[in-house]
Amino acid sequence: KNEVEQSPQNLTAQEGEFITINCSYSVGISALHWLQQHPGGGIVSLFMLSSGKKKHGRLIATINIQEKHSSLHITASHPRDSAVYICALQGAQKLVFGQGTRLTINP
Amino acid sequence: DTEVTQTPKHLVMGMTNKKSLKCEQHMGHRAMYWYKQKAKKPPELMFVYSYEKLSINESVPSRFSPECPNSSLLNLHLHALQPEDSALYLCASSRWGAANTGELFFGEGSRLTVL
Repeated sequence: KNEVEQSPQNLTAQEGEFITINCSYSVGISALHWLQQHPGGGIVSLFMLSSGKKKHGRLIATINIQEKHSSLHITASHPRDSAVYICALQGAQKLVFGQGTRLTINP
Repeated sequence: DTEVTQTPKHLVMGMTNKKSLKCEQHMGHRAMYWYKQKAKKPPELMFVYSYEKLSINESVPSRFSPECPNSSLLNLHLHALQPEDSALYLCASSRWGAANTGELFFGEGSRLTVL
């Protein structure tokens, strides 16, 4: 079993919909990262969480350490949000990456 | 300046060539990373430099040779690569040494094709 599992693997939605991407993990962590990667492009760090909730614009990330679960929410989704979203666990000196969720927002 | 700059953006090389990928950051970050990413897969860690010293080598073949000449610059020297080494190579940096990674800043990547 992988240390980190993301769901769904693929998600297609209409512009304006509320989006939720989930990340479950099985090991103790010091922090969890949410990353965004557009096709063919580099990776952008969206959030680094160790507890609670963070918000940046239309993006909200939450983490429940006891349940070993994190969610990334996008409100009022837009086609430019189409990307791969990756959950990554902070380990000793390196990140453990989830397989990513490919999000497509149709106009 | 919050950028990690990678050059070249694209590189095509033969199996007998020697080439280098370059990564630069001017944020004063003390840890720098090389990742390899194949299509539709998450990045795989290759090397970590912490305070300009190699702290992690994830059993990478010797045809990949990292170098950290100073705290702002990270190179990846390539020699005698195989077609299966074709991938996107991502550089990243973080403020503190790698034991306390913190937020990672990634470059746009260098897309390598080995013929």
